[in-house]
Amino acid sequence: EAGVVQSPRYKIIEKKQPVAFWCNPISGHNTLYWYRQNLGQGPELLIRYENEEAVDDSQLPKDRFSAERLKGVDSTLKIQPAELGDSAVYLCASSLRGFSNEQYFGPGTRLTVT
Amino acid sequence: QKEVEQDPGPLSVPEGAIVSLNCTYSNSAFQYFMWYRQYSRKGPELLMYTYSSGNKEDGRFTAQVDKSSKYISLFIRDSQPSDSATYLCAMSVYTGGFKTIFGAGTRLFVKA
Repeated sequence: EAGVVQSPRYKIIEKKQPVAFWCNPISGHNTLYWYRQNLGQGPELLIRYENEEAVDDSQLPKDRFSAERLKGVDSTLKIQPAELGDSAVYLCASSLRGFSNEQYFGPGTRLTVT
Repeated sequence: QKEVEQDPGPLSVPEGAIVSLNCTYSNSAFQYFMWYRQYSRKGPELLMYTYSSGNKEDGRFTAQVDKSSKYISLFIRDSQPSDSATYLCAMSVYTGGFKTIFGAGTRLFVKA
Protein backbone atom coordinates (compact mmCIF):
# COMPACT_ATOMS: atom_id res chain seq x y z
CA GLU A 1 0.00 0.00 0.00
CA ALA A 2 1.35 3.41 -0.93
CA GLY A 3 2.10 5.83 1.86
CA VAL A 4 1.41 9.53 2.01
CA VAL A 5 2.74 11.23 -1.11
CA GLN A 6 3.95 14.81 -1.16
CA SER A 7 5.35 17.02 -3.87
CA PRO A 8 7.57 18.76 -4.50
CA ARG A 9 10.22 17.41 -2.12
CA TYR A 10 12.24 20.62 -2.24
CA LYS A 11 11.39 24.19 -3.19
CA ILE A 12 13.51 27.32 -3.22
CA ILE A 13 11.77 30.63 -3.82
CA GLU A 14 12.41 34.30 -3.27
CA LYS A 15 10.46 36.15 -0.61
CA LYS A 16 7.13 37.57 -1.69
CA GLN A 17 6.70 34.77 -4.25
CA PRO A 18 3.82 32.28 -3.99
CA VAL A 19 4.34 28.56 -3.40
CA ALA A 20 2.08 25.52 -3.24
CA PHE A 21 2.49 22.06 -1.77
CA TRP A 22 0.49 18.99 -2.70
CA CYS A 23 -0.43 15.94 -0.63
CA ASN A 24 -2.10 12.64 -1.45
CA PRO A 25 -3.03 10.75 1.73
CA ILE A 26 -3.23 7.00 2.28
CA SER A 27 -6.27 5.56 0.54
CA GLY A 28 -9.29 5.49 2.84
CA HIS A 29 -7.86 7.91 5.41
CA ASN A 30 -10.48 10.53 6.16
CA THR A 31 -8.34 12.79 8.29
CA LEU A 32 -5.56 14.87 6.78
CA TYR A 33 -3.11 17.11 8.59
CA TRP A 34 -0.66 19.76 7.48
CA TYR A 35 2.23 20.42 9.84
CA ARG A 36 5.17 22.77 9.76
CA GLN A 37 8.47 21.60 11.23
CA ASN A 38 11.18 24.13 11.94
CA LEU A 39 14.77 23.02 12.31
CA GLY A 40 15.33 21.29 15.64
CA GLN A 41 11.64 21.34 16.53
CA GLY A 42 8.73 18.95 16.43
CA PRO A 43 5.89 19.27 13.91
CA GLU A 44 3.33 21.97 14.65
CA LEU A 45 -0.20 21.63 13.32
CA LEU A 46 -1.34 24.13 10.72
CA ILE A 47 -4.68 22.63 9.71
CA ARG A 48 -6.66 19.42 10.09
CA TYR A 49 -9.31 18.16 7.68
CA GLU A 50 -12.06 15.64 8.28
CA ASN A 51 -12.95 14.64 4.73
CA GLU A 52 -13.25 17.97 2.89
CA GLU A 53 -14.03 20.05 5.98
CA ALA A 54 -11.32 22.06 7.74
CA VAL A 55 -12.15 21.34 11.39
CA ASP A 56 -9.09 22.90 13.04
CA ASP A 57 -7.29 25.77 11.35
CA SER A 58 -6.65 27.83 14.45
CA GLN A 59 -2.87 27.76 13.90
CA LEU A 60 -2.96 28.60 10.21
CA PRO A 61 -1.71 32.15 9.46
CA LYS A 62 -4.69 33.04 7.37
CA ASP A 63 -3.30 36.29 6.05
CA ARG A 64 -0.88 34.41 3.83
CA PHE A 65 -1.66 30.71 4.11
CA SER A 66 -4.57 28.87 2.53
CA ALA A 67 -5.46 25.24 2.10
CA GLU A 68 -8.03 23.16 0.36
CA ARG A 69 -9.03 19.54 0.18
CA LEU A 70 -11.36 19.07 -2.73
CA LYS A 71 -13.42 15.86 -2.80
CA GLY A 72 -11.93 14.87 0.53
CA VAL A 73 -8.81 13.25 -0.92
CA ASP A 74 -5.85 15.31 -2.17
CA SER A 75 -4.94 18.55 -0.48
CA THR A 76 -3.01 21.67 -1.40
CA LEU A 77 -1.36 24.13 0.97
CA LYS A 78 -0.48 27.54 -0.41
CA ILE A 79 1.60 30.44 0.85
CA GLN A 80 1.25 33.85 -0.74
CA PRO A 81 3.38 35.85 -0.34
CA ALA A 82 6.18 33.83 1.25
CA GLU A 83 8.36 35.37 3.95
CA LEU A 84 11.86 34.43 5.10
CA GLY A 85 10.41 32.96 8.30
CA ASP A 86 8.37 30.45 6.29
CA SER A 87 11.48 28.40 5.57
CA ALA A 88 10.71 25.02 7.10
CA VAL A 89 9.64 21.49 6.26
CA TYR A 90 5.93 21.16 5.50
CA LEU A 91 4.61 17.74 6.43
CA CYS A 92 1.36 16.12 5.46
CA ALA A 93 -0.09 13.27 7.52
CA SER A 94 -3.25 11.19 7.42
CA SER A 95 -5.18 8.91 9.74
CA LEU A 96 -8.41 6.93 9.93
CA ARG A 97 -10.97 9.20 11.57
CA GLY A 98 -12.71 7.85 14.63
CA PHE A 99 -10.49 4.81 14.96
CA SER A 100 -7.22 6.05 16.35
CA ASN A 101 -4.81 8.91 16.29
CA GLU A 102 -2.15 6.93 14.48
CA GLN A 103 -0.87 9.46 12.02
CA TYR A 104 1.15 8.47 8.99
CA PHE A 105 3.45 11.12 7.60
CA GLY A 106 4.69 11.88 4.14
CA PRO A 107 8.35 12.75 3.46
CA GLY A 108 7.67 16.48 3.59
CA THR A 109 8.47 19.45 1.40
CA ARG A 110 11.56 21.40 2.38
CA LEU A 111 10.92 25.08 1.64
CA THR A 112 13.72 27.63 1.50
CA VAL A 113 12.76 31.27 1.14
CA THR A 114 15.63 33.55 0.11
CA GLN B 1 6.23 26.58 29.68
CA LYS B 2 5.81 24.20 26.77
CA GLU B 3 3.10 21.56 27.04
CA VAL B 4 5.62 18.86 26.13
CA GLU B 5 9.29 18.99 27.12
CA GLN B 6 11.93 16.80 25.53
CA ASP B 7 15.71 16.97 25.85
CA PRO B 8 17.09 17.64 22.35
CA GLY B 9 20.35 15.80 23.01
CA PRO B 10 22.33 14.74 21.11
CA LEU B 11 22.62 11.40 22.84
CA SER B 12 25.52 9.22 21.74
CA VAL B 13 25.77 5.56 22.79
CA PRO B 14 27.79 2.52 21.71
CA GLU B 15 26.16 -0.25 19.73
CA GLY B 16 24.35 -2.71 21.97
CA ALA B 17 23.60 -0.18 24.71
CA ILE B 18 20.19 0.33 26.26
CA VAL B 19 18.83 3.74 25.33
CA SER B 20 16.39 5.70 27.46
CA LEU B 21 14.48 8.62 25.95
CA ASN B 22 12.09 10.73 27.98
CA CYS B 23 9.42 13.41 27.83
CA THR B 24 7.49 15.32 30.42
CA TYR B 25 4.19 17.07 29.92
CA SER B 26 2.01 19.54 31.75
CA ASN B 27 -1.51 18.88 30.40
CA SER B 28 -3.14 16.14 32.47
CA ALA B 29 -5.85 15.79 29.80
CA PHE B 30 -3.50 13.98 27.42
CA GLN B 31 -4.82 10.47 26.85
CA TYR B 32 -2.74 9.03 24.04
CA PHE B 33 1.02 8.83 23.92
CA MET B 34 3.15 8.15 20.87
CA TRP B 35 6.77 7.84 19.88
CA TYR B 36 7.89 8.65 16.36
CA ARG B 37 11.26 8.04 14.73
CA GLN B 38 12.47 10.53 12.14
CA TYR B 39 15.46 9.90 9.93
CA SER B 40 17.23 12.82 8.33
CA ARG B 41 15.18 14.37 5.50
CA LYS B 42 12.30 11.94 6.08
CA GLY B 43 8.88 12.26 7.67
CA PRO B 44 8.22 10.95 11.19
CA GLU B 45 7.39 7.24 11.43
CA LEU B 46 5.12 5.94 14.18
CA LEU B 47 6.96 3.53 16.50
CA MET B 48 4.76 3.10 19.55
CA TYR B 49 1.21 4.09 20.47
CA THR B 50 -0.16 3.74 23.99
CA TYR B 51 -3.38 4.77 25.67
CA SER B 52 -2.95 4.08 29.35
CA SER B 53 -0.29 4.11 32.03
CA GLY B 54 2.06 1.16 32.10
CA ASN B 55 4.41 -0.53 29.68
CA LYS B 56 4.04 -1.60 26.07
CA GLU B 57 6.67 -3.70 24.37
CA ASP B 58 7.34 -4.20 20.66
CA GLY B 59 10.51 -6.05 19.81
CA ARG B 60 13.48 -4.05 21.06
CA PHE B 61 11.28 -1.08 21.96
CA THR B 62 9.41 -0.51 25.22
CA ALA B 63 7.18 2.49 25.84
CA GLN B 64 6.39 3.48 29.41
CA VAL B 65 3.75 5.94 30.57
CA ASP B 66 3.43 7.33 34.09
CA LYS B 67 0.39 9.62 34.12
CA SER B 68 0.75 10.43 37.81
CA SER B 69 4.17 11.94 37.14
CA LYS B 70 3.30 13.20 33.64
CA TYR B 71 6.34 11.37 32.31
CA ILE B 72 6.80 9.03 29.38
CA SER B 73 9.80 7.01 28.28
CA LEU B 74 11.01 4.97 25.34
CA PHE B 75 13.61 2.27 25.90
CA ILE B 76 15.61 0.75 23.07
CA ARG B 77 17.40 -2.50 23.86
CA ASP B 78 20.44 -3.74 21.96
CA SER B 79 20.70 -0.46 20.08
CA GLN B 80 21.94 -0.59 16.49
CA PRO B 81 23.55 2.04 14.24
CA SER B 82 20.34 1.94 12.22
CA ASP B 83 18.53 3.32 15.28
CA SER B 84 20.42 6.60 14.80
CA ALA B 85 17.64 9.13 14.23
CA THR B 86 15.59 11.79 15.97
CA TYR B 87 12.94 10.43 18.33
CA LEU B 88 9.83 12.55 18.84
CA CYS B 89 7.35 12.03 21.61
CA ALA B 90 3.77 13.09 20.95
CA MET B 91 0.64 13.32 23.05
CA SER B 92 -3.00 13.67 22.15
CA VAL B 93 -6.29 14.58 23.73
CA TYR B 94 -9.63 13.90 22.07
CA THR B 95 -12.00 16.89 22.03
CA GLY B 96 -14.23 16.12 19.10
CA GLY B 97 -11.05 15.46 17.20
CA PHE B 98 -7.49 14.68 18.21
CA LYS B 99 -5.25 17.53 19.30
CA THR B 100 -1.64 16.31 19.13
CA ILE B 101 1.40 18.07 20.54
CA PHE B 102 4.90 16.94 19.60
CA GLY B 103 8.08 17.26 21.58
CA ALA B 104 11.11 18.86 19.96
CA GLY B 105 12.80 15.49 19.46
CA THR B 106 15.97 13.87 20.81
CA ARG B 107 18.79 13.16 18.36
CA LEU B 108 20.28 9.72 18.96
CA PHE B 109 23.59 8.47 17.58
CA VAL B 110 24.48 4.80 17.96
CA LYS B 111 28.16 4.19 17.29
CA ALA B 112 29.30 0.93 15.72
